[in-house]
Amino acid sequence: GEDVEQSLFLSVREGDSSVINCTYTDSSSTYLYWYKQEPGAGLQLLTYIFSNMDMKQDQRLTVLLNKKDKHLSLRIADTQTGDSAIYFCADGGSGSSNTGKLIFGQGTTLQVKP
Amino acid sequence: NAGVTQTPKFRVLKTGQSMTLLCAQDMNHEYMYWYRQDPGMGLRLIHYSVGEGTTAKGEVPDGYNVSRLKKQNFLLGLESAAPSQTSVYFCASSPRVAGVRVYNEQFFGPGTRLTVL
Repeated sequence: GEDVEQSLFLSVREGDSSVINCTYTDSSSTYLYWYKQEPGAGLQLLTYIFSNMDMKQDQRLTVLLNKKDKHLSLRIADTQTGDSAIYFCADGGSGSSNTGKLIFGQGTTLQVKP
Repeated sequence: NAGVTQTPKFRVLKTGQSMTLLCAQDMNHEYMYWYRQDPGMGLRLIHYSVGEGTTAKGEVPDGYNVSRLKKQNFLLGLESAAPSQTSVYFCASSPRVAGVRVYNEQFFGPGTRLTVL
């Protein structure tokens, strides 16, 4: 089946940039998502990118998509301690199943040191 | 709007006991999902529903049953709990999607932390 892979842990200093990487296997994916999970809470959508885009910028967040390599990244500029969380990459697939299912990566725990 | 709510927030069971987790959404979403989250495993889909009265198996359905008698509610049942079912359970919902190239954001509840001794 389709798969999404992420590294499990990233540690950065406050004020630095963070880059979280994700690879996926479904070549027909149309939307790819980044979700954020704060401690003790559910997941919230952070941002997304449509497959015909290479880059999407939203304030401190930059999403890069390399369709050829099936690689997605999330860059957080000027990382703050409040950015400490688990970040999940999710693949929306082609949409042809009409189920709305997402395939999630393992999640990357971002630790921001003061 | 409350969004997606889950009951209970925490529960401790003994092996062999049964319980039902309740998920409710007030966004009139057609689709609902149950996931479990385990360290290093990400979110794994247990069961899902694309409408009232319909359910389907996800990636890890064994040991769980579900029901969607009302559009706004999705129940997850454990008939005979096992220690391997110790996990955090999340419910999510999303609007109906149709056709290809669709945007399918899911909205999550706060989770239920279940421990099976």
